[in-house]
Amino acid sequence: RKEVEQDPGPFNVPEGATVAFNCTYSNSASQSFFWYRQDCRKEPKLLMSVYSSGNEDGRFTAQLNRASQYISLLIRDSKLSDSATYLCVVNGGSSASKIIFGSGTRLSIRP
Amino acid sequence: DTAVSQTPKYLVTQMGNDKSIKCEQNLGHDTMYWYKQDSKKFLKIMFSYNNKELIINETVPNRFSPKSPDKAHLNLHINSLELGDSAVYFCASSPTYEQPQHFGDGTRLSIL
Repeated sequence: RKEVEQDPGPFNVPEGATVAFNCTYSNSASQSFFWYRQDCRKEPKLLMSVYSSGNEDGRFTAQLNRASQYISLLIRDSKLSDSATYLCVVNGGSSASKIIFGSGTRLSIRP
Repeated sequence: DTAVSQTPKYLVTQMGNDKSIKCEQNLGHDTMYWYKQDSKKFLKIMFSYNNKELIINETVPNRFSPKSPDKAHLNLHINSLELGDSAVYFCASSPTYEQPQHFGDGTRLSIL
């Protein structure tokens, strides 16, 4: 099993739709979790951290399920500008060697 | 004001050459990183540097060496470049390992 696994997509959804991605991880001792977005030929940018109780930032909701070892990202009322690759990041401890990026899920929003 | 800046943005060079990529952050972060993103878009950590502690991903060839003159800089030096080194290299920084990272806009390295 890969340390961090994401469905590569692409997800192709109409504008206004709700879309959700999951990211599974294998290290049960993982401490912190993040979602980043990466636009084509650009650097990854932090979208949101993922907290144990779940958290929301506008149209974006992140959840953590420790029992099943996955994090999720929900995007409501999707916009054309949401088209990007979404990367989950799992940090297994206080060392850089424990920071693992998922391979990303491509999302394409169509008009 | 750019938070994490790396130069050059593009680097085209011949196989066998030695090259360096510079990275500077003005965020006051204690930790800096180098990542490689290959053609399959997989982002892999190469090095991190925190308070003079260097952590190396064991899969990185020893032709790659990071150099940190001070807390705000982590440069990447590559010896004897090979075709497989073609990729985008990202520098990043964060306050600690546990906190989110800020990325530079990447250096696109092409080996001829």
